[in-house]
Amino acid sequence: SQQGEEDPQALSIQEGENATMNCSYKTSINNLQWYRQNSGRGLVHLILIRSNEREKHSGRLRVTLDTSKKSSSLLITASRAADTASYFCATDVGMIKAAGNKLTFGGGTRVLVKP
Amino acid sequence: EAGVAQSPRYKIIEKRQSVAFWCNPISGHATLYWYQQILGQGPKLLIQFQNNGVVDDSQLPKDRFSAERLKGVDSTLKIQPAKLEDSAVYLCASSSTGGWNEQYFGPGTRLTVT
Repeated sequence: SQQGEEDPQALSIQEGENATMNCSYKTSINNLQWYRQNSGRGLVHLILIRSNEREKHSGRLRVTLDTSKKSSSLLITASRAADTASYFCATDVGMIKAAGNKLTFGGGTRVLVKP
Repeated sequence: EAGVAQSPRYKIIEKRQSVAFWCNPISGHATLYWYQQILGQGPKLLIQFQNNGVVDDSQLPKDRFSAERLKGVDSTLKIQPAKLEDSAVYLCASSSTGGWNEQYFGPGTRLTVT
């Protein structure tokens, strides 16, 4: 089974509304990252939150991390049609810092923002 | 700064044929990754290189998949022979060395095995 599991699997909202998606994981992590994937394209990094951080903001994005519950949430405020995409959480369990990270991706949340 | 380049973008082959994908990472990025993404799922790591050495290939089906990164820059991923279940998007990513950082992804190669 995958390390990260997103919830819900799909989300449909109106433009201007907020979108919230959650990610749960099983093992200890160094950091957790969120990525966006537009249809037919590669993944784009959105935000990275380290295990000693609880909340992080980037523009209209807000990410929280609760290591005691092994969960994270991504909030997109004032959504736009261009936010329509799949969103993936990825947990980094890399053990050797010099060797780079070791990401395990969840199955993603498919978000549709209707104009 | 140029992003991660991959080619080809699309490939259709018959089962039992062979195929190769190419990746050029962001300049200066020592770590390179190959992922397999089956439709409707998240990417799964196949192999990770640090310069031209393999860091992790535990999920690479070594009976049919191989990868190399000569000179620590470009990389190729090969499948021989292909099976129907290999139909997927193959993503290449790179990251800078020296910490747990974000990864930069290429556009991917969509492989269809018929």
